[in-house]
Amino acid sequence: GAVVSQHPSRVICKSGTSVKIECRSLDFQATTMFWYRQFPKQSLMLMATSNEGSKATYEQGVEKDKFLINHASLTLSTLTVTSAHPEDSSFYICSAINSGGPSSYNEQFFGPGTRLTVL
Amino acid sequence: DAKTTQPPSMDCAEGRAANLPCNHSTISGNEYVYWYRQIHSQGPQYIIHGLKNNETNEMASLIITEDRKSSTLILPHATLRDTAVYYCIVRVFNQGGKLIFGQGTELSVKP
Repeated sequence: GAVVSQHPSRVICKSGTSVKIECRSLDFQATTMFWYRQFPKQSLMLMATSNEGSKATYEQGVEKDKFLINHASLTLSTLTVTSAHPEDSSFYICSAINSGGPSSYNEQFFGPGTRLTVL
Repeated sequence: DAKTTQPPSMDCAEGRAANLPCNHSTISGNEYVYWYRQIHSQGPQYIIHGLKNNETNEMASLIITEDRKSSTLILPHATLRDTAVYYCIVRVFNQGGKLIFGQGTELSVKP
């Protein structure tokens, strides 16, 4: 089956530093990836849509200058949390759509998530 | 995309069937019903999807009412490993679009 990985699985950083999270589709190509954020006891909240070779589309209320997204290849999207603060501590999850398969397999596959803690 | 309503929590005895309801009264004709689940501290996992006919796979069955305004996900023999939050989502099939998650149902399977 389609596998999506994230790295790192957990990260602790100091306030004011930047953190980069990678999302990789391991056995398929993905022109479209999504980034979600999840706070404790809450549902997933879509942050942005990452499109290979073009700018990301951010959901309303998500600061594009704070959450930088780069989708430079068909298997890799990165999310950089710039100048992180304690309120950015959350569980960040990516998903990817298999753009190379038949249309019936145009489904989202989720990564295992990255736990970010900002001290 | 249409909104969905699910009970916040449910309990189920191990080995028994778990029936998780979802209301989607404003669903459009071209929208499918998808079910995902999220085990604690993991990414969501796809379970099943359907349009109007009942569907079954190795994980679960999906029963959609004739008017399509509600559906039920059935886990035929729940195990402790099925303890998770279950999300019912409606969206257009293969649009390649985003999934909007509601609050889901927290299913606790008890021994």
